[in-house]
Order: sequence, then structure tokens, then C-alpha cells
Amino acid sequence: GQNIDQPTEMTATEGAIVQINCTYQTSGFNGLFWYQQHAGEAPTFLSYNVLDGLEEKGRFSSFLSRSKGYSYLLLKELQMKDSASYLCAVSWGATNKLIFGTGTLLAVQP
Amino acid sequence: EAGVTQFPSHSVIEKGQTVTLRCDPISGHDNLYWYRRVMGKEIKFLLHFVKESKQDESGMPNNRFLAERTGGTYSTLKVQPAELEDSGVYFCASSPSSGEQYFGPGTRLTVT
Repeated sequence: GQNIDQPTEMTATEGAIVQINCTYQTSGFNGLFWYQQHAGEAPTFLSYNVLDGLEEKGRFSSFLSRSKGYSYLLLKELQMKDSASYLCAVSWGATNKLIFGTGTLLAVQP
Repeated sequence: EAGVTQFPSHSVIEKGQTVTLRCDPISGHDNLYWYRRVMGKEIKFLLHFVKESKQDESGMPNNRFLAERTGGTYSTLKVQPAELEDSGVYFCASSPSSGEQYFGPGTRLTVT
């Protein structure tokens, strides 16, 4: 079966750096997505990792190790607007359907 | 470019009634996915269309759920008859190929 684990909640300070970890056990792995979701809104794409290594995009970076079944999302220079739920999702199978974790609710404090 | 849209944003119905949710994907996106988030749980896959064809409906809970995508454009998801456990947020996503899936804002369904 498929299983994705990520912390339920995290708290960080404005201007700091936070790392949100995600571990997965799946077969037929195609890639790993990170989405940001504010309450009541659509999940918004942040990053997509297919190969091992670090992908950097502005203040956000995402890392993948396929051999370890491990990814993290790194958020730098945190802003209050970064308070949201961060969803780790594995693209799986021939149809690339997404298998989601429960999400990590990040609270950024002043 | 317009994003994925879903209608209605909220729906409250009684057990036993029928509800139809609609999703309009981004123009030109052949792939359309339906997902559902039940309160306290993770988002779960329901089914996948490529154009008008169902490619994978392994996530559909039971035969009370019927999805269609006539003409390969917008899609509908009908629940008939609705049960209490069908309550949740129904998301639609579209993608042009095997990459990023763009999500709609979701329809919050409450069955009382």
C-alpha cells in the first residue's frame, strides 16, 4: 500500500527558516509534489521533484531522496502569509494520481 | 488564464437527496482528476479522466457516485442518493500532461 507521513503541526518565527519533512512508502513512484493550502482555498502548487536532489524556487526549496523515501520543504525568510497547511503528495501509477499526506499546519508567529 | 473552477462552492443537502458537482478544468487540459477530503483525513483520489475517457476510477467509494466528462471539457460528479459519510470537500484538478496538477477551490458538501 501507500503511506505518507508528515508532522501535523509546526510553529516558526517570522524571518526564520523552517523545514517540513515528509516520508513515504509507495510503489510506482513518479514524483513528489508539495502544495500550499490556505484555509478554504485551493491547494497551490509549490514544487515537483522527480530526481534526487534539491530544487530551489525563490524562498522555497524542496529536496528528494528516492532511496530513502524522504523529502523536505524548506521555507526561508518566513512571512506571516506563509501560515498555511503544506501538503506532501506522491504522484503514483500510470495515471499520475496523487496520494496525499494529512498536511502540516504551519503557524508563523511575529 | 482562468484557473480550475468548481460549482457550487457549498452545498447542503439532506440524506437521500441527489447532488451534482461541476468542474471546469483549465482550457486545453486533457487530464482531469477528482479528489475528496473528509474532515480530519487526507485528500484522497476518486477518479481520473483523459479527455472524455475514464482512466482510473479505483477511488470511487461506491456506485452512488457517478462521474462524467462529456465532450472532454467540463466534468460532473453526481452523488445519488447522498449519505452522511459523503460530507467533505470535493476537489477537482487538471493537468496538461504528467506534470503539475492545478486544483480548483473545491465544493464543500454537507449531508444532513
